[in-house]
Amino acid sequence: DVKVTQSSRYLVKRTGEKVFLECVQDMDHENMFWYRQDPGLGLRLIYFSYDVKMKEKGDIPEGYSVSREKKERFSLILESASTNQTSMYLCASSLGQAPHGYTFGSGTRLTVV
Amino acid sequence: AQKVTQAQTEISVVEKEDVTLDCVYETRDTTYYLFWYKQPPSGELVFLIRRNSFDEQNEISGRYSWNFQKSTSSFNFTITASQVVDSAVYFCALSNQGSSYKLIFGSGTRLLVRP
Repeated sequence: DVKVTQSSRYLVKRTGEKVFLECVQDMDHENMFWYRQDPGLGLRLIYFSYDVKMKEKGDIPEGYSVSREKKERFSLILESASTNQTSMYLCASSLGQAPHGYTFGSGTRLTVV
Repeated sequence: AQKVTQAQTEISVVEKEDVTLDCVYETRDTTYYLFWYKQPPSGELVFLIRRNSFDEQNEISGRYSWNFQKSTSSFNFTITASQVVDSAVYFCALSNQGSSYKLIFGSGTRLLVRP
C-alpha cells in the first residue's frame, strides 16, 4: 500500500526551538509539498519541491525552510519555533508535472508552548 | 487570481438525509482541474474526485455525486442518504497553469451526520 509517512503525529516544542518535521513517500513521486491547516483557513502551502535539492516558496514560507536531499524525503524546518506556528502540518506528494491528485500523510499536530 | 470558496463552514444533518456541499472557484485559465478531498477525524486527506475543465459531465459514485457547472464556476458535491461515517471535513481544490498546477484549497466544510 503506497503511502506518505510523517514521522510524528503529535509534537510539543518550546518557543525558540529548532523543529524538524519529516515526511517520506514510497511512490517515487517527483513532487512533494508542505501545507499547514488552520481552522477557517483551509490548507495553505508553505513550501514545495519538484525534484531533489529543488525547493520553491509557497504562500506562507516565512519562518520555515525545507530540505530535500533524497527523492523520497522532504523535511520542514522551523528555524525558531513560535506560538503562531502551532498548527496541523500536512505533507503531500504527487507524480510529475500533470495535475494528478495529491497523496497526503496523516499530519503532524504541532504545539509550540 | 485563483481562489476556491466554500461558504458553508459547518453542516449538520441527520442520518439518511441528502446533503450538498458547495464549492465556487475563480480562475482565468481555460484549462484547470477541480478536486474534492475528504478529511476524516484521523487527519489524512483522502482523494475523492478530479474533474478537468473540459468535462462538464456530472459524475456519480455510489452515494456521492458531483455537479460541475462552468457557467456558475461551481463544483458541488452531494451525498445521498448520508451516513455517520460521512462525518468529516471536505475540501474543494483547484489546480491550473496559473498556479503551476499546485493545489489551491478552499477553507473546508465540516459535515456532521448525526444518528
